[in-house]
Amino acid sequence: EDKVVQSPLSLVVHEGDTVTLNCSYEVTNFRSLLWYKQEKKAPTFLFMLTSSGIEKKSGRLSSILDKKELFSILNITATQTGDSAVYLCAVGARINQAGTALIFGKGTTLSVSS
Amino acid sequence: KAGVTQTPRYLIKTRGQQVTLSCSPISGHRSVSWYQQTPGQGLQFLFEYFSETQRNKGNFPGRFSGRQFSNSRSEMNVSTLELGDSALYLCASSFSPDTNEQFFGPGTRLTVL
Repeated sequence: EDKVVQSPLSLVVHEGDTVTLNCSYEVTNFRSLLWYKQEKKAPTFLFMLTSSGIEKKSGRLSSILDKKELFSILNITATQTGDSAVYLCAVGARINQAGTALIFGKGTTLSVSS
Repeated sequence: KAGVTQTPRYLIKTRGQQVTLSCSPISGHRSVSWYQQTPGQGLQFLFEYFSETQRNKGNFPGRFSGRQFSNSRSEMNVSTLELGDSALYLCASSFSPDTNEQFFGPGTRLTVL
């Protein structure tokens, strides 16, 4: 059965700290790995990774994928209170030879205190 | 460019009723996927539509169905509602089924009493 596991489930840090969120997966027909940020609304797209070892960056956020070891990390440096959210990892998988479905982890809840 | 829109945003129904939710994808996006989000199970894939055809279906009972129209707008229907159907229903659009980058709408919060 396909699965995506995120750790830790929750994290509390102080403003300015650096955090690393983990995502491991066991998915057949892997196509991509995506990170989303969810506050009290719809998930907002952060990154999509398809190739191993290539870091994607956007401001204080960065992510990398290891397709051999089947995991990805999301780093957030110099955290701010606005970073408080649930971070979701999803794997895009080809299903039934047609189309793609995202398989989500349960998320990591990040709380940043000032 | 306008994002994904979903209507209604909130819905309260009673057990046994049926409900229809609507999703309009980002302009130019032709693939629409639906997900159910609950505190216990997280986000789970319901189905995916492209060119008015259901291409994939997740592990949900037949009470959950959907369709897509020629303008790529999509609807999902849940019949004979159960208490466990209470959830946030999210629609996501992408340019095509081969584009994994999916963008989510604000969701419809369904409460079944």
